[in-house]
Amino acid sequence: QVQLVQSGAEVKKPGASVKVSCKASGYTFTSYYVHWVRQAPGHGLQWMGLINPSRGSTSYAQTFQGRVTMTRDTPTSTVYMELSSLTSDDAAVYYCARGPIGTLDHWGQGTQVTVSS
Amino acid sequence: QSVLTQPPSASGTPGQRVTISCSGSTSNIGSETVNWYQQLPGTAPKLLIYNVNQRPSGVPDRFSGSKSGTSASLAISGLQSEDEADYYCATWDDSLNGPVFGGGTKLTVL
Repeated sequence: QVQLVQSGAEVKKPGASVKVSCKASGYTFTSYYVHWVRQAPGHGLQWMGLINPSRGSTSYAQTFQGRVTMTRDTPTSTVYMELSSLTSDDAAVYYCARGPIGTLDHWGQGTQVTVSS
Repeated sequence: QSVLTQPPSASGTPGQRVTISCSGSTSNIGSETVNWYQQLPGTAPKLLIYNVNQRPSGVPDRFSGSKSGTSASLAISGLQSEDEADYYCATWDDSLNGPVFGGGTKLTVL
C-alpha cells in the first residue's frame, strides 16, 4: 500500500533552517509529484510547492520563493523540504503528499515544527 | 485569507443531510476540477472527493460532490458521528500556478 513516512518533530530557533524528510513506499517513486503543505495551529492548509521526483524539477509557491528548497534522493525514494530563516510564523505541521498535479491522494503523517528561542 | 471561501462551521444531527459550499473564481473553480479533503481531529487530511464528484476507493457513497460555475459543494447524507471533522475544498489556481485550499469547514454532529 502507498505510504509516506515523515521525519519526527523539530524544535528550531528563529533564524535557523529546518529540513523535513518524506520516505515513499508502495508505488513507483518517480511516477508521481510530491507536494508539501503546511498547517499552522488553528489554521487551514497552505500549499508550499512540489517536486517532480523523476526530473528533480520543482515549483514553489510565491510566498516561499527564496526560502524553501525541495530535493529528492531517488535510490531511497525520499523527498526533502528545507525551509530557512524561520520565524514564529513558520510554526506549523508540515505534510508531504503524493499526487498528480493538484490532487493529493496520499498524505504523510505530518511533522510538527516548533520555532522558539 | 483563503483563495476559496467556505463557511467556517456547519452542523447536523445523525441521519440528516448537510451541504458545505466552496466559492472561488474563474481562475480556479471556474476552469479546474475540485477536490475535497476530510481531516479528522489530530490526523492528516484524507482525499474524500476528486474530480468534482469521484470517490476514492473506500469512501462511502454518502459523500458526494458537485460544481456549478465558480462554486462547488460537498454533500453528506445519512450523517454519522464519525463524520465530525474539518472539510477542505481545493482546486488548481491558474494565477498562482498551484493548488489552493478553502479555509475549511468544521462539521459538528449534534
